[in-house]
Amino acid sequence: SYELTQPPSVSVSAGQTATITCSGDKLGDKYASWYQQKPGQSPVLVIHQDTKRPSGIPERISASNSGNTATLTISGTQAMDEADYYCQAWDSSSYVVFGGGTKLTVL
Amino acid sequence: EVQLVESGGGLVQPGESLRLSCAASGFTFSSFWMSWVRQAPGKGLEWVANIKHDGSEKFYVDSVKGRFAISRDNAKNSLYLQMNSLRDEDMAIYYCTRDRVAGALYYIDYWGQGSLVTVSS
Repeated sequence: SYELTQPPSVSVSAGQTATITCSGDKLGDKYASWYQQKPGQSPVLVIHQDTKRPSGIPERISASNSGNTATLTISGTQAMDEADYYCQAWDSSSYVVFGGGTKLTVL
Repeated sequence: EVQLVESGGGLVQPGESLRLSCAASGFTFSSFWMSWVRQAPGKGLEWVANIKHDGSEKFYVDSVKGRFAISRDNAKNSLYLQMNSLRDEDMAIYYCTRDRVAGALYYIDYWGQGSLVTVSS
């Protein structure tokens, strides 16, 4: 089965850049998406098709996907960005796969 | 406005059954793949099952194959998940989702508010 691996936690000082990685075998050959989930809320799509932002998602949220790693980058991190972030891809054997999630803490 | 409203969750004992429903509105339901995604307490997201827009294809995570059945009624704009032989490890919030699919591209653009399923004796 296909697996996506994320660091359990990432900390960043307010105003700095946060980077969250997602690793999987030849992930760059697949499409990666990212979801943000705040406590007590449903997940929200923040990135699809590796780099695309849905309407309403701020430009300071960006992403890339190459090789075995997809990366979510949040520039000028704000307190409102504190949340759990999940990567996701589709695989022909495992279908819809999520990473384990990364808790972003803004210091 | 896209809305997905789940219902049917509750407390059941191990081995019992439960049927979740999802009422969709604000979009052409019959044109989209739909999924159920669950989240155990304090844990991450886990995709459970999905169904093609016309119901002709269905896929499941291995842990629920043979126990859960996904279905839809496009005339009623509704998605369902029949859960049989429930286990402790099935306890979770179950989200109804709208999916965007094009070849190898697959992502979820809308999520419901979730329905809590508690399995306990």
